[in-house]
Amino acid sequence: EVQLVESGGGLVQPGGSLRLSCAASGFIFSNHEINWVRQAPGKGLEWLSYISGSGGTIYYADSVKGRFTISRDNAKRSLYLQMNSLRAEDTAVYYCARAGDSPFDYWGQGALVTVSS
Amino acid sequence: QSVLTQPPSASGTPGQRVTISCSGSSSNIGSNYVYWYQHLPGTAPKLLIYNNNQRPSGVPDRFSGSKSGTSASLAISGLRSEDEADYYCAAWNDSLGGYVFGTGTKVTVL
Repeated sequence: EVQLVESGGGLVQPGGSLRLSCAASGFIFSNHEINWVRQAPGKGLEWLSYISGSGGTIYYADSVKGRFTISRDNAKRSLYLQMNSLRAEDTAVYYCARAGDSPFDYWGQGALVTVSS
Repeated sequence: QSVLTQPPSASGTPGQRVTISCSGSSSNIGSNYVYWYQHLPGTAPKLLIYNNNQRPSGVPDRFSGSKSGTSASLAISGLRSEDEADYYCAAWNDSLGGYVFGTGTKVTVL
């Protein structure tokens, strides 16, 4: 069974940093592209970043480019999102999602990030 | 703001057919596949339709997708109470170099 479990969320002050992790199981991790998606309170889904199976190709949404960094460790079957210079508007539930038939075939349950002083 | 526009809400009685539209442009829907997702608050979103009109295994055939030009639609036939959820379209956007989601549609079963 495909499983994705996010961790690392929490409360952080504006301007601070946080690192999210996504632990994968139930599939050959290195064979799949992975995306990060978030949902701010009362808002819709927003795509943030993409990483290829090898990690050699990466894309970012303009809203996080230069502040967030996506990476993966295939040996550890884990995906990461390093978030720097956090703003109040980054408050959201963050999901990792595995690509397959679509860019977002399977999703984790999400990790809540709250940016507030 | 999202570049894919959906109606904020749609509703129907049990057994009815509901259609949700997703309007984009030549940079996204017009030149790329469209995907549809179902999201119940507090849960992980679920893939309903990929490549415009394909259903993953396990998704009931009550759900169907179509695309024409720069617009796409999701139809739910035989509406059931468990279909109450938020629905999102998504596509790759060539000019942005990333994926975009629709604004989302809340479906209510009356």
